[in-house]
Amino acid sequence: DSGVTQTPKHLITATGQRVTLRCSPRSGDLSVYWYQQSLDQGLQFLIQYYNGEERAKGNILERFSAQQFPDLHSELNLSSLELGDSALYFCASSPRTLTFNRNEQFFGPGTRLTVL
Amino acid sequence: ELKVEQNPLFLSMQEGKNYTIYCNYSTTSDRLYWYRQDPGKSLESLFVLLSNGAVKQEGRLMASLDTKARLSTLHITAAVHDLSATYFCAVDIRANKETSGSRLTFGEGTQLTVNP
Repeated sequence: DSGVTQTPKHLITATGQRVTLRCSPRSGDLSVYWYQQSLDQGLQFLIQYYNGEERAKGNILERFSAQQFPDLHSELNLSSLELGDSALYFCASSPRTLTFNRNEQFFGPGTRLTVL
Repeated sequence: ELKVEQNPLFLSMQEGKNYTIYCNYSTTSDRLYWYRQDPGKSLESLFVLLSNGAVKQEGRLMASLDTKARLSTLHITAAVHDLSATYFCAVDIRANKETSGSRLTFGEGTQLTVNP
């Protein structure tokens, strides 16, 4: 158990809908990352937040958005869902760092999203 | 754009045998990570390699990093069935210099099956 929690574990929804995935980082970690894992794209970085601020952005679609709240939990919002959005969505957190250092990332159990 | 390539992608081996998984990456980085993923599960951190020549060992697994060759290896010694999983290497790069943002870029993964 990495200490990172994600809810829900599974989510089944229809095309065109909107969902919210939630992540709580390990105690004391200020950085939160979101990744998408699918069979055709592999593991892809979506976005990073540090202490409430966006720090890095990857291949995140405009239909997707994220935020990190003052209590450091993060939410990933996916809207206008398409079949191709079906994937495993992971959240990861890393220890407090203001410099580009060790930055080991610890992954949560993931949310499996199925779009029908 | 950073590319991370692993080979082989599929590896079937007998218990007791040795083998090496290779991870090549295209951009200078001295931060490389190895993760293990069991089917449908999260990613478990195995090794963190932070400098040229770094070597880490845990049980039957040993990882090394050659930053000049942009190559990391994961060596399996006397494989056992419990090692069956998918192994990912990931390279950490500074995604945003202004914000110290970072991101992991993953290889495709090596699916290891250890047969009795």
